[in-house]
This record gives sequence, structure tokens and C-alpha cells, in this order.
Amino acid sequence: DIQMTQSPSTLSASVGDRVTITCRASQSISTWLAWYQQKPGKAPKLLIDKASSLESGVPSRFSGSGSGTEFTLTISSLQPDDFATYYCQQYNSYRTFGQGTKVEVK
Amino acid sequence: EVQLVESGGGLVQPGGSLRLSCAASGFTFSTYGMNWVRQAPGKGLEWVSYISSSSRTTYDADSVRGRFTISRDNAKNSLYLQMNSLRDEDTAVYYCARDKGGETDFDYWGQGTLVTVSS
Repeated sequence: DIQMTQSPSTLSASVGDRVTITCRASQSISTWLAWYQQKPGKAPKLLIDKASSLESGVPSRFSGSGSGTEFTLTISSLQPDDFATYYCQQYNSYRTFGQGTKVEVK
Repeated sequence: EVQLVESGGGLVQPGGSLRLSCAASGFTFSTYGMNWVRQAPGKGLEWVSYISSSSRTTYDADSVRGRFTISRDNAKNSLYLQMNSLRDEDTAVYYCARDKGGETDFDYWGQGTLVTVSS
């Protein structure tokens, strides 16, 4: 099974900060990686598909990069609505989620 | 508008059974793969099961294989999860989620239904 490891688990940041979250796969997954945002009590929302393809309606401050085993999600200028938990997910073989990164107010 | 609405959650004793349903609308249900994903209280997301559009292919996570069965009825635009031999660790919010295309990521999710396994 493919394991996904996110870092950090928690990130403290301020509005306007540049934020980067890393996701590592236990084996190569090409670019079969998605990023989701989840707010408390809500279902996850798909942000990025195929490692770097922004979903329709997602603000351009979000971007994704990487291939193989190393991936990043970057928020170029953190906005108040972005405080949430972020998950990566591989879909190269079955599906696996990372353990999540909570972006909290510094 | 795509809508996925789960139902069937509740309180069940360890060893018991429960059947979850997900009613789909706003898209051609019969052409999309579907999934169940769960989230234990205060924990992360865990993919549970997948079923292809035709029901020909199903996959399950190791943690539920042999106990849970995913199925669908395309005529009723409905997805199901039959859960048997339930354990405390199956306590979670269960979401149904649509494959974006093929066996991929999930572009639409339901609001979730809570399953509590406790004596």
C-alpha cells in the first residue's frame, strides 16, 4: 500500500503569509495527487488535481507542484478564509490520504 | 446542481450491522465511479471503498475488507455501504464522494452521516 506523509501537522501563520505544505509518497505516484481543504463540520473540497491543476473556482493564490514522491501545496498570501485543514491524496493505486495539516492563526 | 445525500447512520452495538445510503442527483449517476470515505472524530480522512460505474469493479481498504460491502443501484441513483461486524474503531462520519473521472480524486462530496459503534 502507498503511504502518504504530510508535514507539518500543524502550521501557525498570519494573514498575508506564504504557506507551504509538503506531502511525500512512499513510492512514485507520478502526478496522481490531489489536495483538499476541509473546514470544521464540512465535507472536504477539492482544490488541486493531478498535482498542479487548479480546480475551477479555486483562488489563484493556491498552487501545487511536484511529481514522483514529493509534492507541495503553496498558498501565496494567506487569507482569513484559508484557515482550515489540508489533505493530500494519492490515486495512483487505490486511494490514500495524508494525515492532514491544520493551518491555524498565529 | 450535483447533490449527494447520505443517510442511515446511527448508534449500533459492537458486532452489529448498518446499511448506509447515498442518494445522488444533478448528474448522470450511472457514468461515475463512487466512493465511501470516513473520518473518525477529530481524526483525518480514510478512504473506505470504491465501486465502478457499472459495479464491475470494487475495492476496499484493508481495515474494512470482508466486513463492509459497497454496492449501487443505477436505476435508483443510489450508492450503498453494508457494514457488518462493526467495531468501536468504525465510529466515524461516513461521506460518499464522486470520482472526478475514472479512478481518480473526488470532486463532489455529501454532507456525511455519523455512525457510532458503542455498547
